[in-house]
Amino acid sequence: DIQMTQSPSSLSASVGDRVTITCQASQDISNYLNWYHQKPGKAPNLLIYDASNLETGVPSRFSGSGSGTVFAFTISSLQPEDIGTYYCQQHDDLPLTFGGGTRVEIK
Amino acid sequence: EVHLLESGGGLVRPGGSLRLSCAASGFTFSSYAMSWVRQAPGKGLEWVSIITSSGASTDYGDSARGRFSISRDNAKNTLYLQMNSLRAEDTAVYYCAKGGPVILHQFDMWGQGTLVTVSS
Repeated sequence: DIQMTQSPSSLSASVGDRVTITCQASQDISNYLNWYHQKPGKAPNLLIYDASNLETGVPSRFSGSGSGTVFAFTISSLQPEDIGTYYCQQHDDLPLTFGGGTRVEIK
Repeated sequence: EVHLLESGGGLVRPGGSLRLSCAASGFTFSSYAMSWVRQAPGKGLEWVSIITSSGASTDYGDSARGRFSISRDNAKNTLYLQMNSLRAEDTAVYYCAKGGPVILHQFDMWGQGTLVTVSS
């Protein structure tokens, strides 16, 4: 199985800050990496697919990069509505696997 | 508008069974693979099972294999998860998630989830 390791597990930042989360795969997954945002008590929401493609309707302050085994997710200017937990997920092979999540809070 | 609505969750005793349903609307259900993903209380996301658009092929995570069975009725636009031999560790919110025309794809739509509690 492909293991996905996210860091940090949590972070606290101020409104307007640039925030970066990393995700490392245990083997080469090309660009088959997605990022989701989950607000408390809600279902996850797709933000980025195939490492760097912005899902329709998602604000441009969100971006993704990377390929192979190391990936990054960036919020260019953190907004209050961005709080919650962010997950990476690989779709290179079954079983589909998620990272452990990064909880983002406003300082 | 694409919409997924899960139902069938509830309280069940260890060793019991439960069938979850996910009613889909707003897209051509029969053209997309579908998955179940679960989230234990306070924990992260865990993929449970996937089924191809036709229903001809399925796969399961280790925790579900041999106990859970995924199926779909494309005429009714509905996805199912039959869960048998339930354990306390199966307690979670279960989400259905829309995949793509191929089995390895991102989840671009999720239902609101249904809570399964396994307890005596």
